[in-house]
Amino acid sequence: GAVVSQHPSRVICKSGTSVKIECRSLDFQATTMFWYRQFPKQSLMLMATSNEGSKATYEQGVEKDKFLINHASLTLSTLTVTSAHPEDSSFYICSARSPRANYGYTFGSGTRLTVV
Amino acid sequence: GQNIDQPTEMTATEGAIVQINCTYQTSGFNGLFWYQQHAGEAPTFLSYNVLDGLEEKGRFSSFLSRSKGYSYLLLKELQMKDSASYLCAVRDSGYGGSQGNLIFGKGTKLSVKP
Repeated sequence: GAVVSQHPSRVICKSGTSVKIECRSLDFQATTMFWYRQFPKQSLMLMATSNEGSKATYEQGVEKDKFLINHASLTLSTLTVTSAHPEDSSFYICSARSPRANYGYTFGSGTRLTVV
Repeated sequence: GQNIDQPTEMTATEGAIVQINCTYQTSGFNGLFWYQQHAGEAPTFLSYNVLDGLEEKGRFSSFLSRSKGYSYLLLKELQMKDSASYLCAVRDSGYGGSQGNLIFGKGTKLSVKP
C-alpha cells in the first residue's frame, strides 16, 4: 500500500516552453505532498510543500511563479515548470505523507527533465 | 541552520561490513531516516530511528544518538547490488510552517567491489 505514481518519468522540452509533472497517490489520500529537485551528485533539495486545497509553501530561493504547484485533490499534485531554461534540467521527485508508508513518507519514481 | 554531513564516497568488498556515518545539526528533530538511491531512481526506504539505540532489519542496521546528533547505517554481508547512494535524512519538528518535511544529506556513494 501507499503507492505514489509520478509521470512522466522522462521529458525533453525546448527552452521557453512549460512542462507539467504529475504526482498521484494511488491507494491513499495525500493531504500533503513534497516536491524535491536533485542535481547530479547532489542531495534532494526541498522545493515546496503542497497541501490539498491551499497554496503551496515554497522554500527560500524557489521562484513561485516559475514552479507552479497545484494540489487540487487528495490524490493529485502537479508541478509545472514554466518558461523552462536549460538550468532547470534536473531530476524532480515528489513525496507524499502517508501514515501507512514507512512512518509517513512514500516517493514517486522521479522525472528526469532535460531542457534543450 | 540545518546541516547534515555524511561521507561523499566509500568503497567496500563483497561480503564485508560497512558503516556509513551521519551527523546532523537541525533546528528540530522528529526522526532520522536512511534511504537507498540508485542513479536516476527515487529513494527507497531503509530504516527509521526516533529513539536512541540500534534498529536491526535483516542485513541493515541503523543507530541513533540524539545527544550526539549522530547516526550510522551498518550494512552486513555486502552484495554487489548494494552499490548505490545512501541518504541520511532528518525530519524536523513538524510544527509551524515546516510541516515535518525531510532534510537530506548529500548522500554517500557506496561502491562494492568483488
